[in-house]
Formats: sequence, structure tokens, C-alpha cells
Amino acid sequence: DVKVTQSSRYLVKRTGEKVFLECVQDMDHENMFWYRQDPGLGLRLIYFSYDVKMKEKGDIPEGYSVSREKKERFSLILESASTNQTSMYLCASSSFGDTEAFFGQGTRLTVV
Amino acid sequence: QKEVEQNSGPLSVPEGAIASLNCTYSDRGSQSFFWYRQYSGKSPELIMSIYSNGDKEDGRFTAQLNKASQYVSLLIRDSQPSDSATYLCAVNGFQKLVFGTGTRLLVSP
Repeated sequence: DVKVTQSSRYLVKRTGEKVFLECVQDMDHENMFWYRQDPGLGLRLIYFSYDVKMKEKGDIPEGYSVSREKKERFSLILESASTNQTSMYLCASSSFGDTEAFFGQGTRLTVV
Repeated sequence: QKEVEQNSGPLSVPEGAIASLNCTYSDRGSQSFFWYRQYSGKSPELIMSIYSNGDKEDGRFTAQLNKASQYVSLLIRDSQPSDSATYLCAVNGFQKLVFGTGTRLLVSP
């Protein structure tokens, strides 16, 4: 089975903190994604990566950055956390091409 | 116009009935289509994928695709209370998945 693991299930951070969300997949997938999910807005793509050290902006990249130094790991960075970044963050991975994505368990981030 | 549109629901059906969930998409070049199920507080779980026009059946689930009408649907036969969840339609374009906002399904005993 595909396994996508996110480093934290729940996280509480203070406004202005730098926050790191980590994601690791064990299926040698080329593509990795970060989404955030908010009530009524669905899943919105923040960033994605189709190869090591490659990244592409999604629909809502402002206030976020990403890092992919190894194929299996994709990190989301909140440079200076704000309360409007309180959300559920979901990492996903997929193989190259138009294939299905598999999700991690999600990180519920609260910024106070 | 949103790229992937779904009725937010809730769609309420009695146990044993057929639940019909619908999705439209805007990108005519899309080639891959997926249905995910998401229970409250959990992450999305893939239940069906479909790549060509027509029907695809897997157990109680049938996905239907009509590329000319840019329409994809999911039928759940013999609905069970455990099917109560939010169902997300996803469309693949340029290696990234675009999701609809989901339809909440409620199956009453």
C-alpha cells in the first residue's frame, strides 16, 4: 500500500512563527502536492513538485514556500504564520502522468 | 466558472437506495477523473478512477464519464449508513489534481 506520512496530526503555533510541515512518501512517486482544506472552499493547491528540487506554484502560494531536497520528502514552510493560515493541510503524492494521488493523514494547524 | 463543480448537498438517501453524485468540469483537455471519499476529520481516500467515456463498475460503485458533456458521476448502489461522507470529484490536468468542493452524502437507516 502507498504510504504518505505527515509529521504531525495536530499543531498549534503562534503568529509570526516559522512553521515546517513535513511529508514523506514511500512509493517512489515523482509528484508531490500540498493542499489546504477549509470549510466551503474545498481542497486548494498551494504548491506541487514533479521532481527533486523542482516546484510549481498552485492556486494559493502566498505566504508559503516549499522544499524538495529528496524524492520522498516534500516540506511546506509558513514563513511567518498568520491566523488566516489556520487550516487542515494535506500532503499527497502520485506517479508521473495523469494518475491518482494518495493522501497523508493531514495536519490540523492552528495559529494563535 | 470553477474548474470542477459539485453540488454541496447534503444529498439524503434512505438505506438501500441508489445515491447519484454529479460533477462537471471546465477543461476539455482533461484525461483522468477520480472520486474520493472523505469522512469528517479524515483525509480523502480514493474510491474510483475513470479515464474513458462510459461506465466503470467496482462493487457497489459505478463511475460514469461523458467527455463531450464534460460530466462525470458516481452511483452508489445499496447505500449504507457507512457511506455517509463527503465525496470529492477530482480532475487531472498537467499532472495536478483539481478538486471540486465536494458533495455531502447522508444515508439514513
